[in-house]
Amino acid sequence: ETGVTQSPTHLIKTRGQQVTLRCSSQSGHNTVSWYQQALGQGPQFIFQYYREEENGRGNFPPRFSGLQFPNYSSELNVNALELDDSALYLCASAPGLESSYEQYFGPGTRLTVT
Amino acid sequence: AQSVAQPEDQVNVAEGNPLTVKCTYSVSGNPYLFWYVQYPNRGLQFLLKYITGDNLVKGSYGFEAEFNKSQTSFHLKKPSALVSDSALYFCAVRDRVTDSWGKLQFGAGTQVVVTP
Repeated sequence: ETGVTQSPTHLIKTRGQQVTLRCSSQSGHNTVSWYQQALGQGPQFIFQYYREEENGRGNFPPRFSGLQFPNYSSELNVNALELDDSALYLCASAPGLESSYEQYFGPGTRLTVT
Repeated sequence: AQSVAQPEDQVNVAEGNPLTVKCTYSVSGNPYLFWYVQYPNRGLQFLLKYITGDNLVKGSYGFEAEFNKSQTSFHLKKPSALVSDSALYFCAVRDRVTDSWGKLQFGAGTQVVVTP
């Protein structure tokens, strides 16, 4: 069973640029959620995708957008990067929408905005 | 709105002693509760969850947690801590009524330091 993978591991961008982060779900999982974890804080929910549709969104502006592909892999896109976007971005997958399912997290992408 | 509080930023314990990491929650309905652990430069690793039934939940690596509805708590415990348990622990909640989808609400985390 392959776990959740994310790429790249680290990324450095300049304020105002755009970035794309990628995630491959655990085998058999059709639901992907993205979280932002700022230094010293718990993860904050960005949004969730289920069968290629956005299924729920946290308190993040529209410049945070995503995609889910037919193989259930996913992308997180952030436009017009701000310094406060510097964080660890975590992807998590689950076998479905049932809220009792635990989510399985990838290792994260560390984004630094200068 | 749902929220999670982990009142201790750090817990220090000697190896072999019992370990407790505290968590309290607030939800409008009935909760699903989770514990995750994060090692340096790693993602979150699932430890255990409370869905329904027995208030004492057993999970990975010898950890367990007790759900207390009257105190709205879900404290994580381990009878005998190991140095390798040193990590950052997160409690998370999902309201089974209002959050039928994926949002997990996390606490701020508790750093556990186990000394030899």
